[in-house]
Amino acid sequence: ILNVEQSPQSLHVQEGDSTNFTCSFPSSNFYALHWYRWETAKSPEALFVMTLNGDEKKKGRISATLNTKEGYSYLYIKGSQPEDSATYLCAFANYGGATNKLIFGTGTLLAVQP
Amino acid sequence: NAGVTQTPKFQVLKTGQSMTLQCAQDMNHEYMSWYRQDPGMGLRLIHYSVGAGITDQGEVPNGYNVSRSTTEDFPLRLLSAAPSQTSVYFCASVKNTEAFFGQGTRLTVV
Repeated sequence: ILNVEQSPQSLHVQEGDSTNFTCSFPSSNFYALHWYRWETAKSPEALFVMTLNGDEKKKGRISATLNTKEGYSYLYIKGSQPEDSATYLCAFANYGGATNKLIFGTGTLLAVQP
Repeated sequence: NAGVTQTPKFQVLKTGQSMTLQCAQDMNHEYMSWYRQDPGMGLRLIHYSVGAGITDQGEVPNGYNVSRSTTEDFPLRLLSAAPSQTSVYFCASVKNTEAFFGQGTRLTVV
């Protein structure tokens, strides 16, 4: 069973702080790495899809990097706002089976205090 | 835009009862999947389908059945509900590895 790990499990920051989370995944047969934002009582929504080693993606104050050789991705949030409070999930897909078969990490719960 | 429609939103079952969670998508995606979400466990894959007529087991398939008679529909069946199946269930339709999720079903088995 492929294992995707995320750290930290939870994070409490003050408004205006910058923060980052880590997603670790198997480096062999890599196909794609996703980040999702999941607000309470809602469905996960896609933030980024990354497929190439060295990829960097940015959306407003949120950015992500990818290292497929060592099997990790970082998600950065600059100047956190209360509306950034959510669980951030990463998901991994590889060539070993159906390439749309996503294996999710357990998520990082971010709470931003005003 | 309907996207992925999942019903019901909430359900309470007695141990031993059966039920079907419905999932339909209108994006013509070949790949569909069911996940369950439990505290501290993230999203765990129950079953998935790469196209009509084809299904396969995920990480936690026991106690669940699926079928895929059409591209649009991918129902999840609980044949004999157990308290361990109390969870939040998400259906997802996937294209080019991007997942589109249904609204979720909060299931409680008493």
